[in-house]
Amino acid sequence: EAGVAQSPRYKIIEKRQSVAFWCNPISGHATLYWYQQILGQGPKLLIQFQNNGVVDDSQLPKDRFSAERLKGVDSTLKIQPAKLEDSAVYLCASSLVLAGGPMGNEQYFGPGTRLTVT
Amino acid sequence: AQTVTQSQPEMSVQEAETVTLSCTYDTSESDYYLFWYKQPPSRQMILVIRQEAYKQQNATENRFSVNFQKAAKSFSLKISDSQLGDAAMYFCAYRSARRDDKIIFGKGTRLHILP
Repeated sequence: EAGVAQSPRYKIIEKRQSVAFWCNPISGHATLYWYQQILGQGPKLLIQFQNNGVVDDSQLPKDRFSAERLKGVDSTLKIQPAKLEDSAVYLCASSLVLAGGPMGNEQYFGPGTRLTVT
Repeated sequence: AQTVTQSQPEMSVQEAETVTLSCTYDTSESDYYLFWYKQPPSRQMILVIRQEAYKQQNATENRFSVNFQKAAKSFSLKISDSQLGDAAMYFCAYRSARRDDKIIFGKGTRLHILP
């Protein structure tokens, strides 16, 4: 079974530029998550989709970040304009269902995109 | 709000020895799940072990086991017979059993394996 795919793996941009990250979840997984992992910290959830609907985006800085999941499969996370503090690894994860138990909700992570804003 | 604390930023262990990583958490809920994730240099987060709070028995997965102390809100990970491939960042994580709730991660512990 193919895992969660992300691209690009690395991206370097200047502040105030825009950038987009792409994620392809495991086939059949209804739930998709985007996390931001700043150096030295654990991942922080930015947004959570169930199929193509948003379940939780309470920690997404909506003035500069946006995300979409067209047709409930692939997802794109965009930052516009980027700030220095956006430098981080952006992880995408997917799970089979959004359920109350850990079995159905095990999240599978992609390799992440390392963003450097200069 | 729930929090997860890992007080050991870095640890080292000799190959083949045993090491314990500490984790404490804070919650007012009684039903929840706890996890340990491994993140090697490749950055891919891998689930190592999980524990349901309603289960008194400590979870075990091969060389990995946990010591879950619900009253003390403590959830430590023991790695036996450490191997070079165990070198990674280890994150303790919490999730409420309530539907739709998010996973909360600690800051991580970097584990070095000494040959």
